Amino acid sequence: DTAVSQTPKYLVTQMGNDKSIKCEQNLGHDTMYWYKQDSKKFLKIMFSYNNKELIINETVPNRFSPKSPDKAHLNLHINSLELGDSAVYFCASSQIPGQNNSPLHFGNGTRLTVT
Amino acid sequence: QKEVEQNSGPLSVPEGAIASLNCTYSDRGSQSFFWYRQYSGKSPELIMSIYSNGDKEDGRFTAQLNKASQYVSLLIRDSQPSDSATYLCAVRNTGNQFYFGTGTSLTVIP
Repeated sequence: DTAVSQTPKYLVTQMGNDKSIKCEQNLGHDTMYWYKQDSKKFLKIMFSYNNKELIINETVPNRFSPKSPDKAHLNLHINSLELGDSAVYFCASSQIPGQNNSPLHFGNGTRLTVT
Repeated sequence: QKEVEQNSGPLSVPEGAIASLNCTYSDRGSQSFFWYRQYSGKSPELIMSIYSNGDKEDGRFTAQLNKASQYVSLLIRDSQPSDSATYLCAVRNTGNQFYFGTGTSLTVIP
């Protein structure tokens, strides 16, 4: 199936740990994104990345770092996890910049719980 | 100022009524506008996209765009209980970043 897939679906960990979330898309899209959705359902953009440019939302702590081995993958690494990092993290992708008919396609989300 | 603002609701309408959802955005150069629906515990799914001023209809859904007023809306006609969800307005700005509003929670009462 063509889709954006991310793993794991659930991640429970303790404060101070380092964890990663993987994301892969087979839609042939050029741009991938990470979003954080808090308990109030607000989707906040964290990063966008294509093969030329990484754009980081200035409010994202530098404990968060995206890693892209190729244009179909954008993994999220989080160091020194904090309680406030608990949220649902969504990976998404879209077609090349500049094309109007290019919505975001979302993965199923990773629910991160930091205890 | 937030990039995208929505009337946060919650909004309740009786079954069969019209639900109206509104959204404003700050980047005047934005060209692409989207409405997503998100059920609890699920990922957002695209229901409408609009790029030109005016109305765009798809089944029971009508999106309206007014770039001069920086305003986007979504009308849901003949609302059904299955339409109960959170509706997210998204705008792709001139930097190709997708920004979302805070969402409007809609409940359709049978």
